[in-house]
This record gives sequence, structure tokens and C-alpha cells, in this order.
Amino acid sequence: RKEVEQDPGPFNVPEGATVAFNCTYSNSASQSFFWYRQDCRKEPKLLMSVYSSGNEDGRFTAQLNRASQYISLLIRDSKLSDSATYLCVVNLEGSYIPTFGRGTSLIVHP
Amino acid sequence: GAGVSQSPSNKVTEKGKDVELRCDPISGHTALYWYRQSLGQGLEFLIYFQGNSAPDKSGLPSDRFSAERTGGSVSTLTIQRTQQEDSAVYLCASSRTGTDYMLQYFGPGTRLTVL
Repeated sequence: RKEVEQDPGPFNVPEGATVAFNCTYSNSASQSFFWYRQDCRKEPKLLMSVYSSGNEDGRFTAQLNRASQYISLLIRDSKLSDSATYLCVVNLEGSYIPTFGRGTSLIVHP
Repeated sequence: GAGVSQSPSNKVTEKGKDVELRCDPISGHTALYWYRQSLGQGLEFLIYFQGNSAPDKSGLPSDRFSAERTGGSVSTLTIQRTQQEDSAVYLCASSRTGTDYMLQYFGPGTRLTVL
């Protein structure tokens, strides 16, 4: 079983739709969680951290479910510019080496 | 302020040649990471520096790969006797230490093509 798993997609949604991605992780000692965004042929950029209590940033909401070992990203009112690959990143307590998922591709169409 | 920079942005080389890839991290960032990403694949961790030392080299795929960092700043990734399977985008990232160490800032990458 891979340490961090994501559905590669693509998720193909119309503008204005709400879309959600999950990311599962295998190591229960995982401590830190993040979502990064990667545009085509560009470098990954931090989208948001994921806190135990959940967090929201505008149209984006991230949540952590430790019992089931997954994190989620919800995007409301999708924009064309949201089209990208969303990478889940997990880090073990005491480790300085993050584990990246392979990403979920989102395509928002008019 | 300036972000992470990498050079060259593109490198085409012949099989068997050596290549050097450079990374300039954000000023003041003590942690530096090298990753590679093949087409359609996830990020593969290569090596991590804390200052000038490399506590974790576990991701280097073979002894043809080496990296160094000097002055706690610039890092160079060297690939000797390149093979076609080395073709990928090589990404560098830097971060602070302390509670922000996991907030990584990536450079634009070097696209390496081995013919």
C-alpha cells in the first residue's frame, strides 16, 4: 500500500460546481498535512495547510479525519483558473521529509 | 522578495555526459530539498540539506547522483554518466527551520532531457 494515495482523476466539472478530493495516508504517526497546487509544467505551490479542526480559505476548505486517515479538499464555486493538479502532502512526526501524493487532476470547463 | 531560482531551465544532453543543476534557495532558508518529477508522475524525493550537511540522502537513485551545498545557500545536483531514464524535471525547494519547515517553496525546475 502506498504511503499517500490520491485518485488521479481527472475530475471534469463545470464552472460553479463544487468538487471534493480525498487523500488517504497509511501511517498513523503522520503529523502534518498540506495541499499543494501544481499547474501544468509549473512547480508546486502551497495551497493550504490542513489542521485538525479543519480550515477554510475563501472557496477552499480542507479537513482532516485522523480516525479514517484521510484529508480532504473541497472547492466551491469552481473557476476555470482552478484547473490544476492538487497534491496531498503528509509528514511524519519528527521527519523533515514530506511524502507527496501523485496528485488529483481537476479540469474546470465553461 | 526573490523566490527559489534554478538553472538552467532546460538541459539537453547526450547519454553518458555529466550534468550539473543549480539551485538558489530563498535567502535565510536553511533547509533545501531536491526532487524529481517524471512526466505524469508524482514528486520523488532525492536529498535534503540542513545548512551545508545532508542528513538524508536516501532518495538518490544511484551513485551517479550527488549533491552539495555551500555557504548554507546554493546547491548543486550532479548527475554523472547520464542515462535516458534520468530524463525528468528536477525541482528544488527551500524552507525555514522551526515550525515553518514544512512550508516548502519550489523553484521552477530544470527540465533534463537525455538523448
